[in-house]
Amino acid sequence: EVQLVESGGGLVEPGGSLRLSCAASGFTFSSYYMHWVRQAPGKGLVWVSRINSDGGSTTYADSVKGRFTISRDNAKNTLYLQMNTLRAEDTAVYYCARDRGLNLGTFDIWGQGTMVTVSS
Amino acid sequence: EIVMTQSPATLSVSPGERATLSCRASQSISSNLAWYQQKPGQAPRLLIYGASTRATGIPARFSGSGSGTEFTLTISSLQSEDFAVYYCQQYNNWPYTFGQGTKLEIK
Repeated sequence: EVQLVESGGGLVEPGGSLRLSCAASGFTFSSYYMHWVRQAPGKGLVWVSRINSDGGSTTYADSVKGRFTISRDNAKNTLYLQMNTLRAEDTAVYYCARDRGLNLGTFDIWGQGTMVTVSS
Repeated sequence: EIVMTQSPATLSVSPGERATLSCRASQSISSNLAWYQQKPGQAPRLLIYGASTRATGIPARFSGSGSGTEFTLTISSLQSEDFAVYYCQQYNNWPYTFGQGTKLEIK
């Protein structure tokens, strides 16, 4: 079964850090671009970041550029999102999502999401 | 950044009827548009990409149309499981952007 499972969310104070993980199974992880998409409580979807299949190229939304870092370990079939200098507005469910292929831009497999709450 | 605007915000339709959801882009995105369905507490599910191509396993009652700046998602005969929030997404330009969603509710 093709699956993505996120972990690492939780409560963190403003200015703090958190690292999210996304474990992939059931497909050849190293063949796909991967993304992070977030959804604030009761709000819509916002694309956050993208990484190419070998990890050599990354792209970020302006709202997280310089604070978040996306990475991957193809040997471990795992995607990561390192989040630093967190703000209240980063509070959201974070989904990892598989690109339909090599930078096709649509997301055909999603994880169940992990909640990040930034609050003092 | 391309702004995606969906209408209406909420659509009330009876089971068995047709639902038509709209999405407008602030500039031309060719056919680089996708539609997603999201149910409460669940992750989104890809329905349509390329404006009109159904994703794997999506029933034929879901259809998409449009190009340029105007797009439509049509659900031909609503089933109980179709009541959800629907998002459009453009992938023509960075950053990828989503519409604010249309909530499809039972009338």
